[in-house]
Amino acid sequence: DTEVTQTPKHLVMGMTNKKSLKCEQHMGHRAMYWYKQKAKKPPELMFVYSYEKLSINESVPSRFSPECPNSSLLNLHLHALQPEDSALYLCASSQAPQETQYFGPGTRLLVL
Amino acid sequence: AQTVTQSQPEMSVQEAETVTLSCTYDTSESDYYLFWYKQPPSRQMILVIRQEAYKQQNATENRFSVNFQKAAKSFSLKISDSQLGDAAMYFCAYRRGYGGSQGNLIFGKGTKLSVKP
Repeated sequence: DTEVTQTPKHLVMGMTNKKSLKCEQHMGHRAMYWYKQKAKKPPELMFVYSYEKLSINESVPSRFSPECPNSSLLNLHLHALQPEDSALYLCASSQAPQETQYFGPGTRLLVL
Repeated sequence: AQTVTQSQPEMSVQEAETVTLSCTYDTSESDYYLFWYKQPPSRQMILVIRQEAYKQQNATENRFSVNFQKAAKSFSLKISDSQLGDAAMYFCAYRRGYGGSQGNLIFGKGTKLSVKP
């Protein structure tokens, strides 16, 4: 079973809203990732959590705030986003940071 | 810095035929992993195949196989007996081996594959 789930599938928000994206896996993976993907582009790494601790932050603006409540869950809190933040947000997980990553279906975000 | 290049923005194949997608990469590392991911219009990135650099044998997964040429830094994907469901964007990706930057997958720009019935 290599299932990573993400909710919601679609999200429309205004620039003053606060929203959260959720990612969940029950494979016992100890590394989880957030990626941002613009149309017709490859995914860009945003954050890496390793054993529930933030290990990589790829200079992401503070309006994106990740959270890892436990080893199965990864959240991305959104606040005061800009229209250019509209994209597909992908979550992935792996057995360990060095292992193969498995992706969720993504959340399509539109910022108005 | 490592880079991954996919020189074919788009490819087309007839159903049941064979197609090869190209990928080259640049690295000074000796320990690394290479991947092909598929992203259909449904958006989910699906792992197609993985190759460890220390293995000389080319990886195979059913109709998908790779031609890994380490000296040439080439990692092409061959899809045999193409099916309509193979239509997708295909990304080649590189990751350093153990001890490298955690989780840093470096992606190519992708090749959009169309399958004609």
